[in-house]
Amino acid sequence: KNEVEQSPQNLTAQEGEFITINCSYSVGISALHWLQQHPGGGIVSLFMLSSGKKKHGRLIATINIQEKHSSLHITASHPRDSAVYICASNTGNQFYFGTGTSLTVIP
Amino acid sequence: DGGITQSPKYLFRKEGQNVTLSCEQNLNHDAMYWYRQDPGQGLRLIYYSQIVNDFQKGDIAEGYSVSREKKESFPLTVTSAQKNPTAFYLCASSFQGNTEAFFGQGTRLTVV
Repeated sequence: KNEVEQSPQNLTAQEGEFITINCSYSVGISALHWLQQHPGGGIVSLFMLSSGKKKHGRLIATINIQEKHSSLHITASHPRDSAVYICASNTGNQFYFGTGTSLTVIP
Repeated sequence: DGGITQSPKYLFRKEGQNVTLSCEQNLNHDAMYWYRQDPGQGLRLIYYSQIVNDFQKGDIAEGYSVSREKKESFPLTVTSAQKNPTAFYLCASSFQGNTEAFFGQGTRLTVV
């Protein structure tokens, strides 16, 4: 079973701050996903990556396969970024999820 | 628009009653999944199905049942045998293998 750990569990930031959320996993995977869950519960997929780095707007996701580690960065954070961010590993057949990082961005 | 739809969003049931949660997708995905989310815990896999008429137990299948009679639909029944059914339930779907997963909006089940 792939253990997925995220840090921090909770994060409060001032609007405009640069934010980093970390994710580590225990076994080899085929892909790493970053998900966003808003209050109310619906989840949207932000990134799926298996190597290197991806960027979408103010969001950047990186992965280091050798170190089994991924990071999600948010530049120029905004209150609308407040949500729970979940990291998930994909072994090809199943997804394993971290417990999530609850982000609150204060105006 | 393609997507995955869960219904209802909120559901209340009396203890001892079975209840079925709906999950439908029109993305032509082969694989569908049911997860349970509890406060402070990651999503935990209840059941998954990679093909019509076949499904596999996940980590916490006890007290739940599923069917996959159609590719588009993967309903989850929470039976009276589930000791702690109050939770948030999420359905997901994906193509086989190393692909992106799409999630529904979730159903919050409260058993009173």
